[in-house]
Amino acid sequence: GENVEQHPSTLSVQEGDSAVIKCTYSDSASNYFPWYKQELGKRPQLIIDIRSNVGEKKDQRIAVTLNKTAKHFSLHITETQPEDSAVYFCAASQGAQKLVFGQGTRLTINP
Amino acid sequence: GAVVSQHPSRVICKSGTSVKIECRSLDFQATTMFWYRQFPKQSLMLMATSNEGSKATYEQGVEKDKFLINHASLTLSTLTVTSAHPEDSSFYICSAPVVSGNTIYFGEGSWLTVV
Repeated sequence: GENVEQHPSTLSVQEGDSAVIKCTYSDSASNYFPWYKQELGKRPQLIIDIRSNVGEKKDQRIAVTLNKTAKHFSLHITETQPEDSAVYFCAASQGAQKLVFGQGTRLTINP
Repeated sequence: GAVVSQHPSRVICKSGTSVKIECRSLDFQATTMFWYRQFPKQSLMLMATSNEGSKATYEQGVEKDKFLINHASLTLSTLTVTSAHPEDSSFYICSAPVVSGNTIYFGEGSWLTVV
């Protein structure tokens, strides 16, 4: 089955700087790669996703890149703000179905 | 947009009792739903796939006799934690894919505390 590895587990950056979180996956059949932001005790919020037919997707300060050959994808947040502080999860699946999540990254933005 | 409703949001039960959690798709039909468990400061771990009109598919290591899943209609899946113990205390959350939109929606999640 699919296995998703996420790094780093914690990340602290200065406000205004960029943050990068990386994930690798094992199943070459996976073709859907979402990123979620989760507040404590709340449901995960989709912040961006990418499908295997594209290599990069951007939405304002957030971007995701995908390297199918290497089986890794990354989340890039630019011009970080205090409200970006949260736990972020990557995930992978075949179609938008059974998601396998990474271990999570606790991002802290220091003012 | 599509909404998935889950409740109760919080439940406290005594050790040895059973508790039922409902996951409902409000404006779309979901032939498949997924149940996850999340312990504090950990990731979401898939427990099982709930299939409308047939048996659920459980992930390795998940006890199917302890975590009973029923998906009797196209809009409702239930997870029953039977003979609950304190180690079952966790955040349980469901998701439902929307085939036409090729996306997934999560319920609000349920905090279970077994005392």
